[in-house]
Amino acid sequence: AQTVTQSQPEMSVQEAETVTLSCTYDTSESDYYLFWYKQPPSRQMILVIRQEAYKQQNATENRFSVNFQKAAKSFSLKISDSQLGDAAMYFCAYPRAGNQFYFGTGTSLTVIP
Amino acid sequence: GAVVSQHPSWVICKSGTSVKIECRSLDFQATTMFWYRQFPKQSLMLMATSNEGSKATYEQGVEKDKFLINHASLTLSTLTVTSAHPEDSSFYICSASEREPAYEQYFGPGTRLTVT
Repeated sequence: AQTVTQSQPEMSVQEAETVTLSCTYDTSESDYYLFWYKQPPSRQMILVIRQEAYKQQNATENRFSVNFQKAAKSFSLKISDSQLGDAAMYFCAYPRAGNQFYFGTGTSLTVIP
Repeated sequence: GAVVSQHPSWVICKSGTSVKIECRSLDFQATTMFWYRQFPKQSLMLMATSNEGSKATYEQGVEKDKFLINHASLTLSTLTVTSAHPEDSSFYICSASEREPAYEQYFGPGTRLTVT
């Protein structure tokens, strides 16, 4: 079965510091995409970053970057210079056949002023 | 960027009545639309996948007759909760993708359903 695991239900970080959220997944595919989505209190799902598995270079979007370890099936999200607006639920997602997403259970991130 | 809207954002209905939720892709054609249900502090649970002009594919355990999905056009999908009961109260989210394989899904803002 293809699954996504987020082992950190809650994380906290001081404002301006760096935090890393973990995600592992299981797949037998060789080419695929991985996503991190953010869900703030408004509950609108927002794409944070996307990684293409065939690209060895880790994706980066401003203060957000990933550490993609294909062999280990690990896809962690690093948030640098954390801001109060980063407080949200973060979901790791893997699309299976038919475009359907497997979502992890989520990590609730608190940013401490 | 691609925008998906949902209407209504919040609905309250009486037990036994039906309620329809609309999901629209505003600036792209959605080949596939998805409906999710989310309980507080939990992840998104996929309910069904729909492609324009064809019947929706429901996930195991989701009642087809209770949650009617119609994907009438490339920009509109509707979810009708029939004979709603308090246990159907939840947050419903739709998403859309414009091509396969999924490069990403674009999410609507969600609909909070409260059944009294």
